[in-house]
Formats: sequence, structure tokens, C-alpha cells
Amino acid sequence: GQQLNQSPQSMFIQEGEDVSMNCTSSSIFNTWLWYKQDPGEGPVLLIALYKAGELTSNGRLTAQFGITRKDSFLNISASIPSDVGIYFCAGQLGLNYGGSQGNLIFGKGTKLSVKP
Amino acid sequence: DAMVIQNPRYQVTQFGKPVTLSCSQTLNHNVMYWYQQKSSQAPKLLFHYYDKDFNNEADTPDNFQSRRPNTSFCFLDIRSPGLGDAAMYLCATSRAKVETQYFGPGTRLLVL
Repeated sequence: GQQLNQSPQSMFIQEGEDVSMNCTSSSIFNTWLWYKQDPGEGPVLLIALYKAGELTSNGRLTAQFGITRKDSFLNISASIPSDVGIYFCAGQLGLNYGGSQGNLIFGKGTKLSVKP
Repeated sequence: DAMVIQNPRYQVTQFGKPVTLSCSQTLNHNVMYWYQQKSSQAPKLLFHYYDKDFNNEADTPDNFQSRRPNTSFCFLDIRSPGLGDAAMYLCATSRAKVETQYFGPGTRLLVL
């Protein structure tokens, strides 16, 4: 089945530093999504990407949909303590996957710790 | 604000005692999903409803069932919870199958 490789697994950075994480896949996706999950809460959508090559920003966050449609990255600029959490990438299966169309394939997450 | 609501946020049950978790949405989305998430893992899809059509993932245990009585509500029934079923259970919705999924805050289930 499809798998996503998300890296790094964890990061421990100083407040104010920039952060970069990425996901790669052996399969093509039509949509890439980035979610953030705080402890004890559900994932919150950060950025959705729909076109190969698309570069989208949401405040200090920037994400790109790789041109091959097999990868995506998320950058966080000037990190702050509230950026702490687990970041998940997810590729969404397209219409050609029959009953599984729309299903999300998740990466294993990147745990971000920010030192004030 | 339109949203996905899960009740209760925390649920404690006994080994083998049936338990029901609830999800409601004000987004008027057609698709509702149930995920199981264990500690330090990604969410794992159990099943979803596309309108009234139920779609079970192949590896979802028979112990897990779901009901969707109307557009707004979806329930997760665990018939005989085992210790291994302790997890966070997440509900998500999307307007259509290949559209963005929005998650609720989750219900953390503890099995004693």
C-alpha cells in the first residue's frame, strides 16, 4: 500500500529559528495536506495543496506541492513557543482509487519542540 | 462557527462493556470519517459514511461499528472494548470524498 516518509521525526529548535520538514512518497497524490496536532486535540488543517508546483502560505507557514506530485514540504519561519506540536503531512487518494478515493495517507509526524 | 463536535472528550469504560462515541457537525458535509489514533502514531481510518453509504476499511475489527442516523450525527460503537482499544478516536468530515477533511477535537477512550 501507499506509504509516506516524513522527516525529520523530531526537531528541537530555539525560538526564532526557521523550521523545515518534508514528506515523500512512491505514489502520486492529487492533494497534499499539512495538519498540526496539539496534545489531546484533533489535527488542525494548516495548508491544503491542490496543484503540482503550488506554493501556498498561511502566515509564517509555507508549503509546496512537489512538481512530481510525490513530495511536499512545510516551512515555518521565525518559530514561536506555540508552534510546539506534531505536524502531519497527508496525501489524499484521487478519484481513480474507487472506494478508497478521498482517503488520507498520513506520514508518521514530525514532533516540534521550541525552546524559548 | 461551523465545526465538528465530539462528545464526550474523555470516556472511561470497563473491559468488555459496550461504549458509544458521538460526533456531530454543523458543516453540512456529506462525508463523515472515524479514525483511531494510538500514542505517537498517525490517525488510522476505521470507516466512513458517504451520505448513507457505509465504507468499512478491510482491517477494521468487527468489534467496531458505526451509525449515521442523519447528516449531522455519526456514532462509533465499540461492542466489547479490549485493553488494546484504548486510544484517541477522531471524527472528521468533508464536503465530498476528495475534498479536504476537517477533524474534531477527539475522544480519548480509556479501558479499565
